[in-house]
Amino acid sequence: QSVLTQPPSVSGTPGQRVTISCSGSGSNIGGNYVNWYQQLPGVAPKLLIYRSNQQYSGVPDRFSGSKSGTSASLAISGLRSEDEASYSCAAWDDSLHAYVFGAGTKVTVL
Amino acid sequence: QVHLVQSGAEVKRSGASVKVSCKASGYIFTDYYIHWVRQAPGQGLEWIGIINPGGTPTSYAYQFQDRVTLTKDTSTNTVYMEVRSLRSEDTAIYYCARERAGDYYFDFWGQGTLVTVSS
Repeated sequence: QSVLTQPPSVSGTPGQRVTISCSGSGSNIGGNYVNWYQQLPGVAPKLLIYRSNQQYSGVPDRFSGSKSGTSASLAISGLRSEDEASYSCAAWDDSLHAYVFGAGTKVTVL
Repeated sequence: QVHLVQSGAEVKRSGASVKVSCKASGYIFTDYYIHWVRQAPGQGLEWIGIINPGGTPTSYAYQFQDRVTLTKDTSTNTVYMEVRSLRSEDTAIYYCARERAGDYYFDFWGQGTLVTVSS
């Protein structure tokens, strides 16, 4: 059972905007930055968004992050076939003294 | 060019130990922490622990602190993760990832090492 809660899957058509939610608590998202990682099938994760809303180097500006209270979200606008991947949110948890992840959301481009 | 190169796949019996290496290059080794994260088949990412090649801290997730030891060799820019008393649930891909000290995000990951535990 993951500390951060994400929907298992979201889908959209090419060009559409999709959002992925990530829900936590005051000890993780509520008090710390959220980071988002993209994982294509069979390869290591890659950093997409750091400090809740900062795009990592080389990441298309179609990807954006936001945080409010104990929840965060990742938005993908202008959805493309190459965006089919799993997306995981993560944050440091002050109570667990651990880095915690969501279970990942699989994005399908219809 | 940054590289984190991990050792190859391992197959172990239940109860055995495994030691996975992560060799860093292309940056100042002691400027970045190294974290270990695993992913069981079809599951999400799970944090194991952190080691600071430049000194302290070394810290572990609660569920791993009795079975996992992280070590470093600054002469070869390599960190190691040893997992003892392996069980089938430890079958996973194990990743190392770096964090610039204090940033709380992982900007570069190793390629992953598959550890398979058979009974």
